[in-house]
Amino acid sequence: GAGVSQSPRYKVAKRGQDVALRCDPISGHVSLFWYQQALGQGPEFLTYFQNEAQLDKSGLPSDRFFAERPEGSVSTLKIQRTQQEDSAVYLCASSLELAGETQYFGPGTRLLVL
Amino acid sequence: AQSVTQLDSQVPVFEEAPVELRCNYSSSVSVYLFWYVQYPNQGLQLLLKYLSGSTLVKGINGFEAEFNKSQTSFHLRKPSVHISDTAEYFCAVTFKAAGNKLTFGGGTRVLVKP
Repeated sequence: GAGVSQSPRYKVAKRGQDVALRCDPISGHVSLFWYQQALGQGPEFLTYFQNEAQLDKSGLPSDRFFAERPEGSVSTLKIQRTQQEDSAVYLCASSLELAGETQYFGPGTRLLVL
Repeated sequence: AQSVTQLDSQVPVFEEAPVELRCNYSSSVSVYLFWYVQYPNQGLQLLLKYLSGSTLVKGINGFEAEFNKSQTSFHLRKPSVHISDTAEYFCAVTFKAAGNKLTFGGGTRVLVKP
C-alpha cells in the first residue's frame, strides 16, 4: 500500500460515548503499534501486535481501552465510555518484524471528548 | 524507568544558520535510536536512525546525528537550515530489552526565521 492510513481523521465524542479508531497498515507489515499523543507532548506507546497476536498492551491507560487485529492486518482501537482526558491524537504505525526496523506512521486520528 | 529527554522544547533559529537538537536517554543498555520530524498537520516521518556501526549517522534533508554511548546522547544537527525545516522534531529510542516499541522524547519545536 501507499502508506499507513487511519480513519476517521477527526472525531468528536460526548463524554461517555464509545469510539472506534481504525488503522490500515502497510501491506506485508507484521508489526503494528498504537501510540497516544497528547497536545504538546511526544507520542506514548499504547499497544503492539505481531500479526494478530497482541504481544504488549502495557501502555493502555485503563480497561476502557481495547485494541484488536483479528486477521493480522487492519487494527481497531476502541475506547469505551470516553473521558475528557482521552482527548489526544491517536497514532498508528507499522513495520517489518525485525528489531530496529523503521516504524511508518499514519496521519493520526484527533479525538476530542466534550 | 526508561526515558528520553529532549532538553529544548523550542529552538528559534535564523535561516541558513546551524542548529543542534539535543537528546539524552536514560539507559546504557542496548538501544536503537531514531529521529522523527512532524510537519504541521502531517504524520511522523523518519529523518535517520542508528542501529549499529559508525556513530555518525546521516539522514534525509541534510540532517545528521551522532551516537555517544558514554553520554547516552543522540544529538541531531544540520549545518544550514531552511524555512521548510520549521517543524517539531522527536527523538525516540527502542530499548532492546523492552521489545520494539518506541519511547519518545517530548519534542523540540524548531522555528526557522527569515
